[in-house]
Amino acid sequence: DAMVIQNPRYQVTQFGKPVTLSCSQTLNHNVMYWYQQKSSQAPKLLFHYYDKDFNNEADTPDNFQSRRPNTSFCFLDIRSPGLGDAAMYLCATSRGTGDQPQHFGDGTRLSIL
Amino acid sequence: DAKTTQPTSMDCAEGRAANLPCNHSTISGNEYVYWYRQIHSQGPQYIIHGLKNNETNEMASLIITEDRKSSTLILPHATLRDTAVYYCIVRPYTSGTYKYIFGTGTRLKVLA
Repeated sequence: DAMVIQNPRYQVTQFGKPVTLSCSQTLNHNVMYWYQQKSSQAPKLLFHYYDKDFNNEADTPDNFQSRRPNTSFCFLDIRSPGLGDAAMYLCATSRGTGDQPQHFGDGTRLSIL
Repeated sequence: DAKTTQPTSMDCAEGRAANLPCNHSTISGNEYVYWYRQIHSQGPQYIIHGLKNNETNEMASLIITEDRKSSTLILPHATLRDTAVYYCIVRPYTSGTYKYIFGTGTRLKVLA
């Protein structure tokens, strides 16, 4: 089945140690998104790509960066994770045209030691 | 900013219909209403969406008021597996607009 895959499901890193989360899709969708979701809160959009065009949300910290080397893959880089960055990180895709909905992966839960 | 307001939580008896309301009083003519749900520790799952007509699929029905300022998601026969957080999102259907902004959602608990 076509889908959005996030690896790993659980990631542990040390305070201040860079970490990269990955997302891949087999849907061939134009748009890929990264959301941060903290406990008992709604997903918060960090940024999205339309093809190679990057769109950052105004309140996304500079500590968060993203790369999209090709249509299928997108990465979230956290340069110097702090304790407040512990969260679930969700990747999603959408076709980018019409009214078609987003498709989500199951997320990567990031813990900071 | 999210353009929707939803009750924080609701309970529903198993086998009964669950009716989840959403207020989107500032909705524009070109904005669709989407519903997603999120079961604990999983990614959000798409349920249904609509513009102005009522919609039905195998999961749920979506009723949009004539003025489009509110909508209701109906799960016709709720089961324990429908316990989840339900999010209502509005998004413009225009070229160049791709953002889906989540509101706070409704935590639905289906009771045995």
